[in-house]
Amino acid sequence: AAGVIQSPRHLIKEKRETATLKCYPIPRHDTVYWYQQGPGQDPQFLISFYEKMQSDKGSIPDRFSAQQFSDYHSELNMSSLELGDSALYFCASSLGMDRDYEQYFGPGTRLTVT
Amino acid sequence: AQTVTQSQPEMSVQEAETVTLSCTYDTSESDYYLFWYKQPPSRQMILVIRQEAYKQQNATENRFSVNFQKAAKSFSLKISDSQLGDAAMYFCAYSGGSNYKLTFGKGTLLTVNP
Repeated sequence: AAGVIQSPRHLIKEKRETATLKCYPIPRHDTVYWYQQGPGQDPQFLISFYEKMQSDKGSIPDRFSAQQFSDYHSELNMSSLELGDSALYFCASSLGMDRDYEQYFGPGTRLTVT
Repeated sequence: AQTVTQSQPEMSVQEAETVTLSCTYDTSESDYYLFWYKQPPSRQMILVIRQEAYKQQNATENRFSVNFQKAAKSFSLKISDSQLGDAAMYFCAYSGGSNYKLTFGKGTLLTVNP
């Protein structure tokens, strides 16, 4: 079965650079969630989209922005990168905005800021 | 704000034995779900089991079962006949009210000894 695809899987950037993380949800899934997991930490919710509209926002820095496109893929744009942004970034998708629908996680993008 | 607490940073169990991981949560919502996620060394987030708050019957998935005590706001995970492949970080998570995001606990690192 098709899974959530995230690209790139690994990304190394320097401080003050920009990064773009991409998420391709499971076919027919219209809801996307982004989570950030720092080293040794639990995942923290960043932002979510339902039917191409932002549905919820968590502790996402102003330096980050995200959107969901017409084909339901999503991109997380990160600017002025800081050392503290080094983390594993997960994207999860679900069939709809309903807790009955499981959030399926992608493999994550490991971002290292040097 | 909703909080999820896992009081056991680490647990260990002998292969084939049973282990219980603890989780408590705090919420004022009446409509919510609780989840246990497994994160093996690959860092993939895998849903193990989930419980709807309105259901009194405890959820069971093969060797995994929960003890859901709504009044006490407790949600423990029991793993029976532990296997080496069960070794992982286990996160308890909550989703409730008008929010569909997942709020995670700090995790419990489970070691399975042969």
